[in-house]
Amino acid sequence: NAGVTQTPKFQVLKTGQSMTLQCAQDMNHNSMYWYRQDPGMGLRLIYYSASEGTTDKGEVPNGYNVSRLNKREFSLRLESAAPSQTSVYFCASRDRDRGVTRLVQPQHFGDGTRLSIL
Amino acid sequence: TQLLEQSPQFLSIQEGENLTVYCNSSSVFSSLQWYRQEPGEGPVLLVTVVTGGEVKKLKRLTFQFGDARKDSSLHITAAQPGDTGLYLCAGFPNTGNQFYFGTGTSLTVIP
Repeated sequence: NAGVTQTPKFQVLKTGQSMTLQCAQDMNHNSMYWYRQDPGMGLRLIYYSASEGTTDKGEVPNGYNVSRLNKREFSLRLESAAPSQTSVYFCASRDRDRGVTRLVQPQHFGDGTRLSIL
Repeated sequence: TQLLEQSPQFLSIQEGENLTVYCNSSSVFSSLQWYRQEPGEGPVLLVTVVTGGEVKKLKRLTFQFGDARKDSSLHITAAQPGDTGLYLCAGFPNTGNQFYFGTGTSLTVIP
């Protein structure tokens, strides 16, 4: 039962370096999400992909880019890392809602990537 | 500005006590979910509420969606150490296409 797999689990970067966080799901879900989690802030949405081939900005997209490579994979890229991007990053996937009520299907989360930028 | 505010932010109680966590907003939500997150893991869904005034029970946990669908509460009866974790509410507002999580409540139940 892999579910949502995130790599790497930990990473330390220097300011200005770039890196890509990888996420893959094996549940055939249409929607995928990237969040960052900071103390006292809950989870904030960075980008999401409602379906393969589409991506949209969330609450805090600045400094990030995403790629929905195929239905399974959704990557998050930091082009020039800044200390303010030190955080725990979570990827999630969700099946599409059936019926008129939105947000009935649960989000399934990976275990996170702990990223420190010095 | 957080669309969903949770209170309290931190809660430390003795085993056997009752507690209530609140999730409030000025926006109307189509539906709302509650998640629990343990250290080193991602959040896991506890419940979804979709109708104003709805009450759902999950063993010792009782979830309520406000009549106006702007707020929700989570009540735990006779808390146990296994209830320790971060509790997060999440929802879709009626307008827009963005999904929001609350600020979180960190619960510690002391044996």
